[in-house]
Amino acid sequence: ETGVTQSPTHLIKTRGQQVTLRCSSQSGHNTVSWYQQALGQGPQFIFQYYREEENGRGNFPPRFSGLQFPNYSSELNVNALELDDSALYLCASTPEVGRNTEAFFGQGTRLTVV
Amino acid sequence: GESVGLHLPTLSVQEGDNSIINCAYSNSASDYFIWYKQESGKGPQFIIDIRSNMDKRQGQRVTVLLNKTVKHLSLQIAATQPGDSAVYFCAETRMDSSYKLIFGSGTRLLVRP
Repeated sequence: ETGVTQSPTHLIKTRGQQVTLRCSSQSGHNTVSWYQQALGQGPQFIFQYYREEENGRGNFPPRFSGLQFPNYSSELNVNALELDDSALYLCASTPEVGRNTEAFFGQGTRLTVV
Repeated sequence: GESVGLHLPTLSVQEGDNSIINCAYSNSASDYFIWYKQESGKGPQFIIDIRSNMDKRQGQRVTVLLNKTVKHLSLQIAATQPGDSAVYFCAETRMDSSYKLIFGSGTRLLVRP
């Protein structure tokens, strides 16, 4: 098991609602990335946080936003939830920006939008 | 565009046999290729990576082969065990824009007892 922890593990939300997912990075890791994994698909990059700033973003709308805290933990916020947002949301931490080959993933948060 | 894909969505092998999982990539500028294993209910777990200037790398029971001529990546698992049953993803990343991993869609490996 990695030291990356995510909460909650599962949740169900209604379309139009907002959700916040949380991630604690591996000890010694200062960079956190978020990925969305639809059923039967590979993870898709949402964005990365480094030094509490967004450091790169994938093809996701602005209603996907995030935060990183001084202790390197991170939150993913999704507003105005849509049915297609149902997916496994994965958090990955790396020791430094640019060291993706050393990424450790959490177990993910399974979000279901109904 | 950028893409990393897989030839076979499901692979079924007999326990003890060798497994080969294949992946095609489209971006020749990739610096690293990585194989991940994802078990049900878990996040992807790093297996092995290979730098773009190499053509083979071996780990414990696993070997990754990279053929840049045809943009093909493979993962070989020796003496496949029931614990190897999972979904396997290849991914690529680049040093110049290395803030992300680009994943393929995955291959499910089923190990028959």
